[in-house]
Formats: sequence, structure tokens, C-alpha cells
Amino acid sequence: QVQLVQSGAEVKKPGASVRVSCKPSRYTFTNFYMHWVRQAPGQGLEWIGLINPTDDSIDYAQKFRGRVSVTRDTSTSTVYMELSSLTSDDTAVYYCARESSGLKNFDFWGQGTLVTVSS
Amino acid sequence: QSALTQPASVSGSPGQSITISCTGTSSDVGYYNYVSWYQQHPGKAPKLVIYDVSNRPSGVSYRFSGSKSGNTASLTISGLQAEDEADYYCNSYTGSRTAYVFGNGTKVTVL
Repeated sequence: QVQLVQSGAEVKKPGASVRVSCKPSRYTFTNFYMHWVRQAPGQGLEWIGLINPTDDSIDYAQKFRGRVSVTRDTSTSTVYMELSSLTSDDTAVYYCARESSGLKNFDFWGQGTLVTVSS
Repeated sequence: QSALTQPASVSGSPGQSITISCTGTSSDVGYYNYVSWYQQHPGKAPKLVIYDVSNRPSGVSYRFSGSKSGNTASLTISGLQAEDEADYYCNSYTGSRTAYVFGNGTKVTVL
């Protein structure tokens, strides 16, 4: 069964940056796009962006452009999402999610990483 | 890009059928057949239950079905069971500067 294992919870101060990792297993890393989605406490899901691990191409939601960076390390088959200039509004659970073979849906999800922004 | 519009809550008794609507625009739901639905239990990651408007992934109950008419997609859960109590989110590809948009979510309660 496909697994996406994310890094642990983070606590950051306003203005700082956070990097969350996502390590997939049991499939060929470069064959599937990887997305990032977040969920603020008690709120809905919000799409952040995606990466094509084959060629490193990326696409970000307009809201996050200039503040987010999604990268991949093919040597360790790991995807990273870095978000900078954090505010309390960025407190959320961040998920990585695999795109189902170009079908523009998310068939497997990581367990989520809670990022808390607090002074 | 605004969130797709879903009812905040829907409820039904065991065995009944319920339908959740998801309204977008002619640029997302109305244009593409890339509408998917996700079930999320408290404290858990979302789970894909419908993709491409009406297709069920392997392992998802036949009680889940999807459809679309114009700018509105729908998820129907038939034979409602206690385990179906969860939050449900629709998602659509938009092809725009924000490529994907989620609905605001619907809480399903089994009475």
C-alpha cells in the first residue's frame, strides 16, 4: 500500500519559515505529481501547490506565490514544502497528497503535520 | 479563486439517501470533469471517494455515487450508515492561476 510519511509537528514564531517533508514509499517517486494542502483548525481544505518530481516543475496557488517553495530530492525520494513569513493565520495541518496518475485528484495522503505559529 | 459552495451540514437516518451539492462556475466545475470528493473523519487525513465526477476508486463502497449538471456537482450516499458520519469536501481543477479549488465542506450527520 502506498504511504506518504510526513515530518513531525512544528512550532514557529511569527515571521519565521517552516519546512515540512513528505517521503513516499511503495511506488516510483518520479511517476506521480505531489500536492500540498492545508487545513486551519476547524476550517476546510486549501490547495497550496504541486511539484512534478520528474522535472521539478511547480505550480502554486496565487495566494501563496512568493511565500511558498515546493522542492524535491530525488536521491532520497522526498518532497519538501517551505512556507516563509509565517503569521498566526498559517497555523494549520499541512498535508502532502499524491496526484492519481495525471487524473487531477488526490488518491493518497500523508498523515498531516501540525504547524503552530505563536509568539 | 473562491471556494466551491457546499451546504454546511446534511443529515439523514440510517438507510436513507442524502445528497451533497457543490456549486462552482463555468470556469471550474462547469468546464472540467475533474471533480473529486473526499471524506474526512475527525483527526484523520481526507480519503478520496469519487473522482472524475462519478468514478469510484477501488475499495470505496458502491453506496457512494457522483454526478454533475452545469456548474453543480453532487455526491450521493445511499443506504446511510453510522460510519458515513464525517466531513465531505468537493474539489475541482480550474486550469487557472490557482489550479485547484476545494469546497467549503459539508458535515454529514447520521441521526
